Amino acid sequence: DQQVKQNSPSLSVQEGRISILNCDYTNSMFDYFLWYKKYPAEGPTFLISISSIKDKNEDGRFTVFLNKSAKHLSLHIVPSQPGDSAVYFCAAINRQLTFGSGTQLTVLP
Amino acid sequence: NAGVTQTPKFQVLKTGQSMTLQCAQDMNHEYMSWYRQDPGMGLRLIHYSVGAGITDQGEVPNGYNVSRSTTEDFPLRLLSAAPSQTSVYFCASSYSWGDNTEAFFGQGTRLTVV
Repeated sequence: DQQVKQNSPSLSVQEGRISILNCDYTNSMFDYFLWYKKYPAEGPTFLISISSIKDKNEDGRFTVFLNKSAKHLSLHIVPSQPGDSAVYFCAAINRQLTFGSGTQLTVLP
Repeated sequence: NAGVTQTPKFQVLKTGQSMTLQCAQDMNHEYMSWYRQDPGMGLRLIHYSVGAGITDQGEVPNGYNVSRSTTEDFPLRLLSAAPSQTSVYFCASSYSWGDNTEAFFGQGTRLTVV
């Protein structure tokens, strides 16, 4: 049973528009939530994180929102750029790092 | 500063063969882990280590062994390869464990078992 779910395998967005990637989780014991970005033939790289006691964290073009009551988090990228095209993994921590299945984001020029 | 280095990058094994995937980090991180990535499954934790001499099982440990004799190295051994172990394997390290600390990943090893 997947504790971290990314229900959209893919997302296409026009350059300059907003990209919204979604993630749901089932384990209320998760302490932190993270987003990792992965290009082909490379390992995942850390993008942004949020503590379970916060509801928003912003870093430049990237903002993560956490809705604990809905057990839902989202990553907003504004404005989207072609270089953002990658697979985005949502992950959560409760002693271990648990990943979702990933969403392939394609930003169209 | 090399970060996390995995070798080999690609490997083809026959069913029943054994091999060791190497992972080394030069950041003096205590925490190291192995994941496998399969289509539609994300990254699943195989084994992890919170320091030299300490290892534990993750979500999918069957068919794999690990040891941690030094802080720098965390090899993953496949005892008797099976087609179900065809996957991309990632090694990761981080300064600490179970908190908000960023994990650094290697470039991955693509393993095919025929």
